Amino acid sequence: NAGVMQNPRHLVRRRGQEARLRCSPMKGHSHVYWYRQLPEEGLKFMVYLQKENIIDESGMPKERFSAEFPKEGPSILRIQQVVRGDSAAYFCASSPERSTDTQYFGPGTRLTVL
Amino acid sequence: GQNIDQPTEMTATEGAIVQINCTYQTSGFNGLFWYQQHAGEAPTFLSYNVLDGLEEKGRFSSFLSRSKGYSYLLLKELQMKDSASYLCAVTRPGTYKYIFGTGTRLKVLA
Repeated sequence: NAGVMQNPRHLVRRRGQEARLRCSPMKGHSHVYWYRQLPEEGLKFMVYLQKENIIDESGMPKERFSAEFPKEGPSILRIQQVVRGDSAAYFCASSPERSTDTQYFGPGTRLTVL
Repeated sequence: GQNIDQPTEMTATEGAIVQINCTYQTSGFNGLFWYQQHAGEAPTFLSYNVLDGLEEKGRFSSFLSRSKGYSYLLLKELQMKDSASYLCAVTRPGTYKYIFGTGTRLKVLA
């Protein structure tokens, strides 16, 4: 049973470009969570999605950030017009049917904005 | 606000025992998780405490005191591969978000 997959593992963008981060949850998991880890800081919750639904996006910046989890395919975290402050590690986690279950994390995408 | 505190760094010797503390102040409490994270890798699940007391799992044990807002992770018979960051995370009733501390970087020396 493959774990949570994220790609790309490393992404370099120039200021003003768009970044797309992908997450495939573990098989059988229908809940996806995105967290951001800034240098020397803890993981911070961004958004929680189930298939085709955003359940909680209270941790997402109001502008430039969006997330989706379509019926088919991976969850996507999209950052438009990136700025240097967006440089961070973005982790995706998934859990089974119950949202209170243990979350299993992917290896993360390290975004560097030049 | 929600506050999770852990020491930033700890150092211990191979074969020794180390205790990593975590204190929390949150509006409500459901459970506490410990994760291990090697540099550049995914956090991996270690333990989950809901009730007071000690949960033992091989070389790793985790303790919780809800009245004191306190937990610790105990690592016995330390190995070099235990050098990693250890993350404490709290969940609250009715939510699924993990609230993480900043993590404790553990260095195991030969």
